Amino acid sequence: DAKTTQPPSMDCAEGRAANLPCNHSTISGNEYVYWYRQIHSQGPQYIIHGLKNNETNEMASLIITEDRKSSTLILPHATLRDTAVYYCIALDRGSTLGRLYFGRGTQLTVWP
Amino acid sequence: DTAVSQTPKYLVTQMGNDKSIKCEQNLGHDTMYWYKQDSKKFLKIMFSYNNKELIINETVPNRFSPKSPDKAHLNLHINSLELGDSAVYFCASSQRGTSGGNEQFFGPGTRLTVL
Repeated sequence: DAKTTQPPSMDCAEGRAANLPCNHSTISGNEYVYWYRQIHSQGPQYIIHGLKNNETNEMASLIITEDRKSSTLILPHATLRDTAVYYCIALDRGSTLGRLYFGRGTQLTVWP
Repeated sequence: DTAVSQTPKYLVTQMGNDKSIKCEQNLGHDTMYWYKQDSKKFLKIMFSYNNKELIINETVPNRFSPKSPDKAHLNLHINSLELGDSAVYFCASSQRGTSGGNEQFFGPGTRLTVL
Protein backbone atom coordinates (compact mmCIF):
# COMPACT_ATOMS: atom_id res chain seq x y z
CA ASP A 1 0.00 0.00 0.00
CA ALA A 2 1.18 3.51 -0.79
CA LYS A 3 2.69 5.57 2.01
CA THR A 4 0.80 8.73 2.93
CA THR A 5 2.14 11.93 4.44
CA GLN A 6 0.07 14.33 6.50
CA PRO A 7 0.94 17.42 8.53
CA PRO A 8 1.09 16.56 12.24
CA SER A 9 -1.30 19.28 13.29
CA MET A 10 -3.67 21.96 12.01
CA ASP A 11 -6.19 24.27 13.52
CA CYS A 12 -9.35 25.86 12.30
CA ALA A 13 -11.92 28.36 13.57
CA GLU A 14 -15.36 27.03 14.34
CA GLY A 15 -17.74 27.51 11.41
CA ARG A 16 -14.94 27.75 8.87
CA ALA A 17 -13.92 25.06 6.41
CA ALA A 18 -11.16 22.72 7.52
CA ASN A 19 -8.97 21.53 4.66
CA LEU A 20 -6.78 18.57 5.57
CA PRO A 21 -4.11 17.64 3.01
CA CYS A 22 -2.61 14.23 2.33
CA ASN A 23 0.24 13.31 0.00
CA HIS A 24 0.32 9.87 -1.57
CA SER A 25 2.75 10.32 -4.44
CA THR A 26 3.40 6.56 -4.87
CA ILE A 27 -0.25 5.60 -5.07
CA SER A 28 -1.02 2.95 -7.67
CA GLY A 29 -3.99 2.78 -10.00
CA ASN A 30 -5.82 0.23 -7.84
CA GLU A 31 -5.43 2.07 -4.57
CA TYR A 32 -8.21 4.06 -3.00
CA VAL A 33 -7.83 6.92 -0.56
CA TYR A 34 -9.66 6.41 2.72
CA TRP A 35 -10.15 8.89 5.55
CA TYR A 36 -10.86 8.03 9.15
CA ARG A 37 -10.84 10.14 12.28
CA GLN A 38 -10.39 9.40 15.96
CA ILE A 39 -11.94 11.68 18.51
CA HIS A 40 -10.13 11.57 21.83
CA SER A 41 -10.68 8.30 23.72
CA GLN A 42 -13.06 6.93 21.10
CA GLY A 43 -12.72 4.33 18.36
CA PRO A 44 -11.81 5.48 14.85
CA GLN A 45 -14.68 6.55 12.62
CA TYR A 46 -14.86 6.06 8.87
CA ILE A 47 -15.41 9.34 6.99
CA ILE A 48 -15.14 8.90 3.25
CA HIS A 49 -13.14 7.26 0.48
CA GLY A 50 -12.46 7.77 -3.21
CA LEU A 51 -10.49 6.54 -6.18
CA LYS A 52 -10.15 9.44 -8.61
CA ASN A 53 -13.39 11.38 -8.64
CA ASN A 54 -14.27 13.89 -5.98
CA GLU A 55 -16.63 12.51 -3.39
CA THR A 56 -19.06 14.08 -0.95
CA ASN A 57 -21.16 12.69 1.84
CA GLU A 58 -22.92 14.10 4.88
CA MET A 59 -19.67 14.34 6.81
CA ALA A 60 -17.13 15.69 4.36
CA SER A 61 -15.87 16.16 0.82
CA LEU A 62 -12.83 14.48 -0.68
CA ILE A 63 -10.92 16.20 -3.44
CA ILE A 64 -8.35 14.07 -5.27
CA THR A 65 -5.93 15.73 -7.68
CA GLU A 66 -5.99 14.65 -11.30
CA ASP A 67 -2.62 12.88 -10.98
CA ARG A 68 -3.89 11.25 -7.74
CA LYS A 69 -0.70 12.10 -5.91
CA SER A 70 -2.50 14.08 -3.24
CA SER A 71 -5.93 14.67 -1.80
CA THR A 72 -7.73 17.05 0.55
CA LEU A 73 -10.44 16.24 3.04
CA ILE A 74 -12.79 19.16 3.51
CA LEU A 75 -15.03 19.65 6.52
CA PRO A 76 -17.17 22.51 5.20
CA HIS A 77 -18.27 24.01 8.53
CA ALA A 78 -16.04 22.73 11.29
CA THR A 79 -17.47 22.43 14.78
CA LEU A 80 -15.76 21.86 18.12
CA ARG A 81 -16.80 18.21 17.88
CA ASP A 82 -14.65 17.81 14.78
CA THR A 83 -11.51 18.14 16.92
CA ALA A 84 -9.82 14.79 16.32
CA VAL A 85 -6.90 13.00 14.70
CA TYR A 86 -7.58 12.52 10.99
CA TYR A 87 -5.99 9.60 9.16
CA CYS A 88 -5.46 9.32 5.42
CA ILE A 89 -4.92 5.74 4.22
CA ALA A 90 -4.17 4.55 0.70
CA LEU A 91 -4.96 0.93 0.01
CA ASP A 92 -5.87 -1.62 -2.61
CA ARG A 93 -9.39 -2.73 -1.76
CA GLY A 94 -8.97 -6.08 -3.42
CA SER A 95 -5.86 -7.26 -1.62
CA THR A 96 -5.78 -5.85 1.87
CA LEU A 97 -8.53 -8.04 3.38
CA GLY A 98 -9.58 -4.98 5.35
CA ARG A 99 -6.09 -4.49 6.80
CA LEU A 100 -6.01 -0.78 7.64
CA TYR A 101 -2.63 0.79 8.44
CA PHE A 102 -3.01 3.96 10.46
CA GLY A 103 -0.09 6.39 10.42
CA ARG A 104 0.37 9.39 12.69
CA GLY A 105 -2.45 11.37 11.14
CA THR A 106 -3.21 15.08 11.55
CA GLN A 107 -4.41 16.44 14.86
CA LEU A 108 -7.12 18.95 13.93
CA THR A 109 -8.06 21.41 16.63
CA VAL A 110 -11.18 23.49 16.08
CA TRP A 111 -11.27 26.58 18.26
CA PRO A 112 -14.28 28.70 19.17
CA ASP B 1 -28.49 0.83 19.93
CA THR B 2 -24.74 0.29 19.93
CA ALA B 3 -23.34 -1.06 16.66
CA VAL B 4 -20.06 -2.48 17.99
CA SER B 5 -19.78 -3.03 21.72
CA GLN B 6 -16.91 -4.18 23.87
CA THR B 7 -16.70 -5.36 27.46
CA PRO B 8 -15.16 -4.43 29.74
CA LYS B 9 -14.39 -0.78 29.08
CA TYR B 10 -11.53 -0.82 31.60
CA LEU B 11 -9.46 -3.76 32.76
CA VAL B 12 -6.74 -3.56 35.40
CA THR B 13 -4.86 -6.71 36.21
CA GLN B 14 -1.58 -8.12 37.46
CA MET B 15 1.25 -9.44 35.32
CA GLY B 16 0.92 -13.13 34.60
CA ASN B 17 -2.87 -13.21 34.74
CA ASP B 18 -5.15 -14.39 31.94
CA LYS B 19 -7.95 -12.11 30.79
CA SER B 20 -10.58 -11.86 28.05
CA ILE B 21 -12.15 -8.97 26.19
CA LYS B 22 -15.48 -9.49 24.46
CA CYS B 23 -16.78 -7.85 21.29
CA GLU B 24 -20.20 -7.98 19.71
CA GLN B 25 -21.59 -6.30 16.60
CA ASN B 26 -25.23 -6.01 15.61
CA LEU B 27 -24.63 -4.70 12.10
CA GLY B 28 -24.89 -8.07 10.37
CA HIS B 29 -21.28 -7.76 9.16
CA ASP B 30 -19.28 -10.82 8.17
CA THR B 31 -15.82 -9.64 9.20
CA MET B 32 -14.47 -8.56 12.58
CA TYR B 33 -11.11 -7.22 13.68
CA TRP B 34 -8.97 -6.51 16.72
CA TYR B 35 -6.66 -3.49 16.79
CA LYS B 36 -4.19 -2.39 19.47
CA GLN B 37 -3.39 1.26 20.23
CA ASP B 38 -0.29 1.68 22.35
CA SER B 39 0.78 4.54 24.58
CA LYS B 40 2.30 6.38 21.61
CA LYS B 41 -1.13 6.27 19.95
CA PHE B 42 -0.07 3.98 17.09
CA LEU B 43 -3.07 1.94 16.01
CA LYS B 44 -2.20 -1.49 14.60
CA ILE B 45 -4.28 -4.35 13.35
CA MET B 46 -3.85 -7.65 15.20
CA PHE B 47 -6.42 -10.10 13.84
CA SER B 48 -9.31 -10.39 11.45
CA TYR B 49 -12.01 -13.02 11.17
CA ASN B 50 -14.32 -13.48 8.22
CA ASN B 51 -17.32 -15.74 8.80
CA LYS B 52 -15.61 -17.18 11.89
CA GLU B 53 -12.44 -17.94 9.95
CA LEU B 54 -9.09 -16.29 10.75
CA ILE B 55 -7.88 -14.28 7.75
CA ILE B 56 -5.35 -11.87 9.26
CA ASN B 57 -2.83 -12.59 12.00
CA GLU B 58 -0.30 -9.78 12.21
CA THR B 59 2.62 -11.44 13.97
CA VAL B 60 0.95 -11.25 17.33
CA PRO B 61 2.42 -13.36 20.19
CA ASN B 62 0.56 -16.61 20.62
CA ARG B 63 -0.40 -15.52 24.13
CA PHE B 64 -3.17 -13.70 22.27
CA SER B 65 -5.90 -16.00 21.05
CA PRO B 66 -8.95 -14.64 19.28
CA LYS B 67 -12.11 -16.71 19.26
CA SER B 68 -15.16 -16.19 17.08
CA PRO B 69 -18.11 -18.29 18.25
CA ASP B 70 -20.31 -16.76 15.54
CA LYS B 71 -20.23 -13.93 13.01
CA ALA B 72 -21.46 -11.39 15.53
CA HIS B 73 -18.82 -12.04 18.18
CA LEU B 74 -15.04 -11.89 18.31
CA ASN B 75 -13.43 -12.31 21.70
CA LEU B 76 -9.79 -11.80 22.59
CA HIS B 77 -8.17 -13.95 25.24
CA ILE B 78 -4.74 -13.01 26.53
CA ASN B 79 -2.60 -15.42 28.56
CA SER B 80 0.26 -14.55 30.89
CA LEU B 81 -0.24 -10.82 30.63
CA GLU B 82 2.89 -8.66 30.38
CA LEU B 83 3.48 -4.98 31.09
CA GLY B 84 3.81 -4.32 27.36
CA ASP B 85 0.27 -5.53 26.78
CA SER B 86 -1.04 -2.36 28.40
CA ALA B 87 -2.90 -0.53 25.64
CA VAL B 88 -6.34 0.28 24.32
CA TYR B 89 -7.82 -2.57 22.32
CA PHE B 90 -10.42 -1.78 19.66
CA CYS B 91 -12.77 -4.18 18.00
CA ALA B 92 -14.17 -3.37 14.56
CA SER B 93 -16.45 -4.91 11.98
CA SER B 94 -17.16 -4.55 8.28
CA GLN B 95 -18.93 -6.23 5.42
CA ARG B 96 -16.27 -7.71 3.19
CA GLY B 97 -18.41 -7.89 0.11
CA THR B 98 -18.76 -4.13 0.16
CA SER B 99 -15.55 -2.54 -1.12
CA GLY B 100 -13.25 -5.08 0.46
CA GLY B 101 -14.32 -4.42 4.00
CA ASN B 102 -12.38 -1.22 4.40
CA GLU B 103 -15.29 0.78 5.78
CA GLN B 104 -14.97 -0.43 9.30
CA PHE B 105 -17.07 0.36 12.35
CA PHE B 106 -15.11 0.51 15.57
CA GLY B 107 -16.12 -0.19 19.13
CA PRO B 108 -15.43 2.19 22.02
CA GLY B 109 -12.25 0.42 23.09
CA THR B 110 -11.07 -1.50 26.15
CA ARG B 111 -8.28 0.11 28.16
CA LEU B 112 -6.10 -2.66 29.55
CA THR B 113 -3.61 -1.81 32.29
CA VAL B 114 -1.17 -4.48 33.42
CA LEU B 115 0.51 -3.78 36.77
